[in-house]
Amino acid sequence: EDQVTQSPEALRLQEGESSSLNCSYTVSGLRGLFWYRQDPGKGPEFLFTLYSAGEEKEKERLKATLTKKESFLHITAPKPEDSATYLCAVRAKRGSTLGRLYFGRGTQLTVWP
Amino acid sequence: EPEVTQTPSHQVTQMGQEVILRCVPISNHLYFYWYRQILGQKVEFLVSFYNNEISEKSEIFDDQFSVERPDGSNFTLKIRSTKLEDSAMYFCATKASREETQYFGPGTRLLVL
Repeated sequence: EDQVTQSPEALRLQEGESSSLNCSYTVSGLRGLFWYRQDPGKGPEFLFTLYSAGEEKEKERLKATLTKKESFLHITAPKPEDSATYLCAVRAKRGSTLGRLYFGRGTQLTVWP
Repeated sequence: EPEVTQTPSHQVTQMGQEVILRCVPISNHLYFYWYRQILGQKVEFLVSFYNNEISEKSEIFDDQFSVERPDGSNFTLKIRSTKLEDSAMYFCATKASREETQYFGPGTRLLVL
C-alpha cells in the first residue's frame, strides 16, 4: 500500500531559525513527489515537483530535496508569512494515466517574530 | 496567473439532499480530479476524469457520487443524497497534458446537517 508519512506534525520556529520538514514515502515506483503549502481553509498551493533521487529545487527560502525513500523541505531563515501547513504527496507509476496523489497529513509550521 | 476556481465557497445542506459542486479548470488543462479533506485529516483522492470519462475512482466514490463536464468549461461533482460524513472540504484539481503537477482550487466547504 502506498503511504506518505510526514514529520514532525507541528513545528514552531523563531523568525530566522532554519529547519527541515521530512516526508517519508513507500510507493511502488515513484512517478513524482509534490510539495504543497496549505493555509487554513484554503486549497493546496503548489510549491515543487521532484521526479528522481538527487533532484533539488529552490524557491525563495524553500529548498526541496529527494532521495529514494524520503524528501526534505528545508526552510532557510523563515519569516512569519511562511507559517502554514506543508503537504507532501506522491504519485505512483502504476495505475491510470491521470495518476491519483497520495497525501501525508502535513507539517503545521508556525514562525513567530 | 491562471488558477482553478470553485463555487460555492461554502454550502450547508440537510442530510439526504443533493448538492452540486462546481469547478472551472485552468484553460488548456484536460485532466480533472476531485479530492476531499475532512477536518483535521489527510487530503483524499475521490476521482479522476478525462475525455468525458472517469479514469479512476477511490473506494470513497460510491454510487452517491457522480462527475460530469456539462458544458466544456465547468467540471462538477454531484452528491445525490448527502450524509453527515460527507461534511468536508472538497477540492478540484486540474492538470495539463504531459505534466505531472496537479493545481488545486480553493475548495468548497460542505456542511451536512
